[in-house]
Amino acid sequence: GENVEQHPSTLSVQEGDSAVIKCTYSDSASNYFPWYKQELGKRPQLIIDIRSNVGEKKDQRIAVTLNKTAKHFSLHITETQPEDSAVYFCAANIASNTGKLIFGQGTTLQVKP
Amino acid sequence: DTAVSQTPKYLVTQMGNDKSIKCEQNLGHDTMYWYKQDSKKFLKIMFSYNNKELIINETVPNRFSPKSPDKAHLNLHINSLELGDSAVYFCASSQARGGGTEAFFGQGTRLTVV
Repeated sequence: GENVEQHPSTLSVQEGDSAVIKCTYSDSASNYFPWYKQELGKRPQLIIDIRSNVGEKKDQRIAVTLNKTAKHFSLHITETQPEDSAVYFCAANIASNTGKLIFGQGTTLQVKP
Repeated sequence: DTAVSQTPKYLVTQMGNDKSIKCEQNLGHDTMYWYKQDSKKFLKIMFSYNNKELIINETVPNRFSPKSPDKAHLNLHINSLELGDSAVYFCASSQARGGGTEAFFGQGTRLTVV
């Protein structure tokens, strides 16, 4: 069935280090892969997304890569800061016009000052 | 100027009661959703409406009944609340036509059943 696996579930880094979160998806027809950041007690908010016709996308300190063949995509955060501490979710759409997103299990990122 | 707003933010109620959560979006999107986030932070879709028509109905108990009076509003009514219904419920909206697009989330409703 439709599934998105996300690893690791928790990640602790020192301020200034890089953080990488990886996801795999099961539906080969998926073509949209957003990443959401959820701070404690807040709503999930989109930080970056990528479509299947692109292999990599960057926005300042964050970047996402996509390997369609392997059905993997990853989030890279460089020069981490304490305010990057949050739960990060990857997601993949189910290829239809429903807009349905299947979310990964989430990664709790802690950036230590 | 909130894009997706839901009320109430907190809801504490006893087992067996019936409660409703309301959601409104001012983004002009054609599709709205209800997601449930459990204590392990897992986000799972429950329902989706496109222009007032139900298009996604995951395996949710029929005690949960969504209602969309128009494409800007999607409410969730829950009958006979159970302890296991305690969670954060998020409303979201997106422009689903043409494939995947960003989903905008409301601030969430933390439901606690005691």
